Parts: sequence; C-alpha cells; structure tokens
Amino acid sequence: DGGITQSPKYLFRKEGQNVTLSCEQNLNHDAMYWYRQDPGQGLRLIYYSQIVNDFQKGDIAEGYSVSREKKESFPLTVTSAQKNPTAFYLCASSAAEPLPYNEQFFGPGTRLTVL
Amino acid sequence: AQKVTQAQTEISVVEKEDVTLDCVYETRDTTYYLFWYKQPPSGELVFLIRRNSFDEQNEISGRYSWNFQKSTSSFNFTITASQVVDSAVYFCALSEALSGGSYIPTFGRGTSLIVHP
Repeated sequence: DGGITQSPKYLFRKEGQNVTLSCEQNLNHDAMYWYRQDPGQGLRLIYYSQIVNDFQKGDIAEGYSVSREKKESFPLTVTSAQKNPTAFYLCASSAAEPLPYNEQFFGPGTRLTVL
Repeated sequence: AQKVTQAQTEISVVEKEDVTLDCVYETRDTTYYLFWYKQPPSGELVFLIRRNSFDEQNEISGRYSWNFQKSTSSFNFTITASQVVDSAVYFCALSEALSGGSYIPTFGRGTSLIVHP
C-alpha cells in the first residue's frame, strides 16, 4: 500500500543529543514537509522540500536540519540547539500535479521526549 | 495575527447531535485554497476536503457538509447526526501562493470534538 512511514513512533533523547527522525514515502510525491505539533498550537511548519536536493525553512526552523537526497526520503534532525524539542512531529507529502496545490498525506507521527 | 482561526478549542456533544466547527481565515490573495483535516487519536491527519477561492458552492458528503462564505471569510464544517467515531481533532488550513508560486498551507490550532455515546 502507498503511504508515508515515520520511525520510530516514540523517541527519547537526553538533553544535548542530536536525534534524527525518519520519513519515507512511496507515493511518488515531489513535495515533503515536516510539522511540529504542540498541545493547543496546531501544526507549525519546520521545513519543506518541493524537489530533490532543495528545501526551504518554515516558520520554526531554528534548531532543526533536513536533507532531501532522494525523492522518497526526508529525514529531520533535531539538534541540541533546539531549546524545547519535546513534541509530536508529523511528516507529510503532496503531489505537484495537476493542481498548484494538492492535499497533503500525513505519516503516523513521531513523539519525541527529551529526558 | 493568525491567518486561520478556529475559535472553538473543544466541543463536547452527545451522539446524534449536529455540530458545526468554525473556521475563519485571513488573506489578501484572490486565489487560495482551504482544507479540512481530521486527526483521530492515532495521530495521523486525514484529508477531508479542499475548496478553491473561486468555488463557493457548498458541499455535502454523507453526514459531512461544508459552508464556504467569502463575504465572511469563513469555511465552516458541519457534522450531522454525530457518532462516537467522529471524535477527533479537526484542523482547518489555508494555502496561499508564496513568492515563487509555491502554495504552503497554514493550519489553525484545531478543534477537539468529543462525541459521547
């Protein structure tokens, strides 16, 4: 079945450690996104990528980094510079055609807890 | 200021009641897209509907209906005869063109709907 996978589902990290969240899609979508969700805050955009080897900062990119070396993969690294990383992280993808904007497909999310 | 406002943080109803989730948006663009997503307890958002700014026709899909009114910048979502399975967080989103022609959505803070049996 086509879809988006995120791993791991739960992740625990010690303060000061970098951690990488995985996101893989087999929908052949060009665009991929990372969102952070905090209680009562909705979804906030961290980074997005509309094509391989290119990505753009979203509203809250500080303390995060991404790469897009393959169309199907868009890993997110939460660095030690992120002051409050405990949150629920959602990865999404969308097609570029036929509309200028299509609906997003979301993964199941990764819940990151900093100990 | 928020571009997408979902003023109702939480709504609690009893099964079979009708419920309306409000969404008010703000944009200067003439071309934009509006969306509703459902986030069940499992966490994965599910797409419900997309509407472009040139199509104000209301839509009905089973027990779901959407009322788009440009005059009041609103895109409200009504569930008729609610069921326990409708319990979820519902997000409204606005997509506008950025410089370069990209459309990146902005989400509201969501409305948590609890349907009691």
